[in-house]
Parts: sequence; C-alpha cells; structure tokens
Amino acid sequence: GESVGLHLPTLSVQEGDNSIINCAYSNSASDYFIWYKQESGKGPQFIIDIRSNMDKRQGQRVTVLLNKTVKHLSLQIAATQPGDSAVYFCAEKGSWGKLQFGAGTQVVVTP
Amino acid sequence: EPEVTQTPSHQVTQMGQEVILRCVPISNHLYFYWYRQILGQKVEFLVSFYNNEISEKSEIFDDQFSVERPDGSNFTLKIRSTKLEDSAMYFCASKETEEEKLFFGSGTQLSVL
Repeated sequence: GESVGLHLPTLSVQEGDNSIINCAYSNSASDYFIWYKQESGKGPQFIIDIRSNMDKRQGQRVTVLLNKTVKHLSLQIAATQPGDSAVYFCAEKGSWGKLQFGAGTQVVVTP
Repeated sequence: EPEVTQTPSHQVTQMGQEVILRCVPISNHLYFYWYRQILGQKVEFLVSFYNNEISEKSEIFDDQFSVERPDGSNFTLKIRSTKLEDSAMYFCASKETEEEKLFFGSGTQLSVL
C-alpha cells in the first residue's frame, strides 16, 4: 500500500551542528508534505510544509527539501539546539485534508 | 496564538466503560479530526469531520467510536465500550480550509484497565 516512512529511527547530533532527517514517500500523486515536531507528552507542532510544485522551502533555521524523482523529503535543522530534541514526523496530505504520518525520528541533541 | 484545547489531559477507565474525549477546535476552523498515538508509535488517523458529518474514517474507527459536534465550539470523540487496546494518546486537530496546515491539541492520554 501507499505509505510515508522515515529512514532513521534515532538521530544523535551535537549541539550547534546541523541535523538532517529523511523521509520516503510512495504516493507519487502526493502534492503536499508537512513536518511536525513532537515533544514528550505534547501534540505535534507544525514546523514547515511544502507543496509538490516546489523543491525547497526555508523557514527559521529549518529547510525542507523535496525530491519528487526519488520520492524523498528531508528536513534540515541548522545549528541544532537542545530545544530541538524531539520526535520529528513527516506527513503527506490525503483526502479531506487528512495527514498520513510516517514512523517518526527521535532527535537527541548532545552538549 | 489560538490553539486547540482538549480535556481531560488524562482519562483512566475500566474496560467496557464508555468515555468521551472533548475538544474545542480553533474557532474559525471548519475541518476537524481525531488521531491517536499508541505509545512509541506513529500518529494514526481516525476520522475527519466536515459540515457536520464524517467525511472519512479509518479502519480503526469502528462501530464503538462516534464523533459529534454538539454545539458551535465542541467536538467530541466517544468510545462506547472501551477495550484494553484503546489505550493511547488521542489528539484532536482542526484546520480552516482543506489546504491549510493542521493544528493539534495537546492530547488526552486514555488508559483502559
């Protein structure tokens, strides 16, 4: 079936370094993708989104890259901070605006 | 910033009991959703609700589940007869249009004993 999934379950990164979180999707018709951050005990928080007519979008310290050729999505976090420690989910928009989430990547920022 | 609010934050119930999870979506939003997340797993879609009716539901959302928007502000999820496997964090979410990003509440942790 069609699915969205993440390559790495855990990413350990040193404070100040850049983080890259990867996500593969299988539905080539998907036209909208979104990254969420989930801290322990909280709901998913929007980070950044991208439509399929773009291949890059930048926010504050974050960049999302979309490679439709290989159906790959990535989230880059610049100068990772302790507050960035969380689980990161990619998701794609389906019918009625629902989101289908990937498995999540735990990012651990070490001092 | 407006936010989706959910109550209670924690709910403990006995197997077979009915529970109602409550949500107040953001006021000008028109699309409403329930998701759940079993500990350590991904966030799973349960149901979407628009124009006072269910627009889509997942396989998880069986006859034991129902949703309701009883007034202009609340959006509830009812589980009629809870099972042990219903234990999870339940998230309510809303958005203004179908194209906009989804805003999530902080969740209700349901524990079925």
